Amino acid sequence: DVKVTQSSRYLVKRTGEKVFLECVQDMDHENMFWYRQDPGLGLRLIYFSYDVKMKEKGDIPEGYSVSREKKERFSLILESASTNQTSMYLCASRGQKGTEAFFGQGTRLTVV
Amino acid sequence: DAKTTQPTSMDCAEGRAANLPCNHSTISGNEYVYWYRQIHSQGPQYIIHGLKNNETNEMASLIITEDRKSSTLILPHATLRDTAVYYCIAFPRAGNMLTFGGGTRLMVKP
Repeated sequence: DVKVTQSSRYLVKRTGEKVFLECVQDMDHENMFWYRQDPGLGLRLIYFSYDVKMKEKGDIPEGYSVSREKKERFSLILESASTNQTSMYLCASRGQKGTEAFFGQGTRLTVV
Repeated sequence: DAKTTQPTSMDCAEGRAANLPCNHSTISGNEYVYWYRQIHSQGPQYIIHGLKNNETNEMASLIITEDRKSSTLILPHATLRDTAVYYCIAFPRAGNMLTFGGGTRLMVKP
C-alpha cells in the first residue's frame, strides 16, 4: 500500500521557534510537494522538489524553506514561526511518469 | 498549467447522480484533466483523470467535451460519504508543478 507519512498530526509551537515538518514517501517518487491549507483559500503550494537537493518555489514560499537530502524525505522548515503560519500543512508525492499524486494526512500546526 | 474554474458549492440528494462541472478553456494539448477530492480533515484523494476520451472507474466517470475546454465529474449514486471538496486541475502527465484551485464543496443531503 502506497504511503506518504507526515511526522506529526498535530503540533503546537511558540512564536520564533524553528519548526521542522517531515514527510516521507515509500514509492520512490521524484516529485514531492508541500502545501498549506487555510479556510476559504484552498490548497496553496509552498515549495516542491523534483529531485534530491533540487527545489522550486511555489506560490507562497515566504517564511519557509525546504530540504531534500534523500529521495524519500522532504522537510519543510519554518525558520522563525509566526502566528500567521498557523495552518494545515499537507505533503504530497508524485512519480515522474505517474498520474496521481499521493497525499499525507496533514499536520495541523498552531503557532502561539 | 491551465487555470480551472469550478462552482464554489453544490448540493446533491443522496442516491442521485452528482455532476460537478469544471471549466479549463486554456488547457493545452499535453495537459490532462485530474480530479481529486478532500474529505474533511484528510489529505486529498485521487479520483480519476483523462486527456480527451471519457473515462470511468470504480469511483466516478469523467466526461470531457470535444474541444477539451470543460469537463464534468459524475458520481453516479452519491452517498453521504461523498460530501467533500472536489478539485479539478489540469497539468501535463509528466509535469512536476501541481497547483490546486478552490474546488467545489459538494454537500450530499439525505
